[in-house]
Amino acid sequence: DVKVTQSSRYLVKRTGEKVFLECVQDMDHENMFWYRQDPGLGLRLIYFSYDVKMKEKGDIPEGYSVSREKKERFSLILESASTNQTSMYLCASSLWGQAETQYFGPGTRLLVL
Amino acid sequence: ILNVEQSPQSLHVQEGDSTNFTCSFPSSNFYALHWYRWETAKSPEALFVMTLNGDEKKKGRISATLNTKEGYSYLYIKGSQPEDSATYLCASNTGNQFYFGTGTSLTVIP
Repeated sequence: DVKVTQSSRYLVKRTGEKVFLECVQDMDHENMFWYRQDPGLGLRLIYFSYDVKMKEKGDIPEGYSVSREKKERFSLILESASTNQTSMYLCASSLWGQAETQYFGPGTRLLVL
Repeated sequence: ILNVEQSPQSLHVQEGDSTNFTCSFPSSNFYALHWYRWETAKSPEALFVMTLNGDEKKKGRISATLNTKEGYSYLYIKGSQPEDSATYLCASNTGNQFYFGTGTSLTVIP
């Protein structure tokens, strides 16, 4: 059974803190993705990675960075958290290929005070 | 950025009713259309992926159709049950990047 896990379900941080969101998949997938979901908006892609040490910007990369040192792990970093980064963050992974299904983690709800 | 739209935004139906929702997407550069079900406090779960015009997929009481020429997909639920209550997301992808709609929130009233 496919599994994508995220390090925290809920997180509360202060403005200016450095925040790490971790995602691990056990399916040997090449692709990994970070999205955020806000009320009234669809899932929006922040960054994705198609291989170890590779990364590509999505639609809203500003204020975020990522790290993929191992195939199974993809980290999202908020260098200096701001209140407008309060959101639900979802990680996903998929096999390499254009129509491949993305498998999602349960999400991390981040509140920045 | 692809503009993927879903309607209605939310829906309340009685148990046993059948229902359907719409996903519209740009028909140019189309590669695949995905449907997901997202229940509260769970991960979005893949329902269907469709690539060809006229594709129809079925999983139990849920089915979906695809029209790539006019850029829309329908999701149907026959005989809705309370456990069908969820947000249904569609996504269109070009290459590795998915573009999601805002979802249709379905509540099935017992």
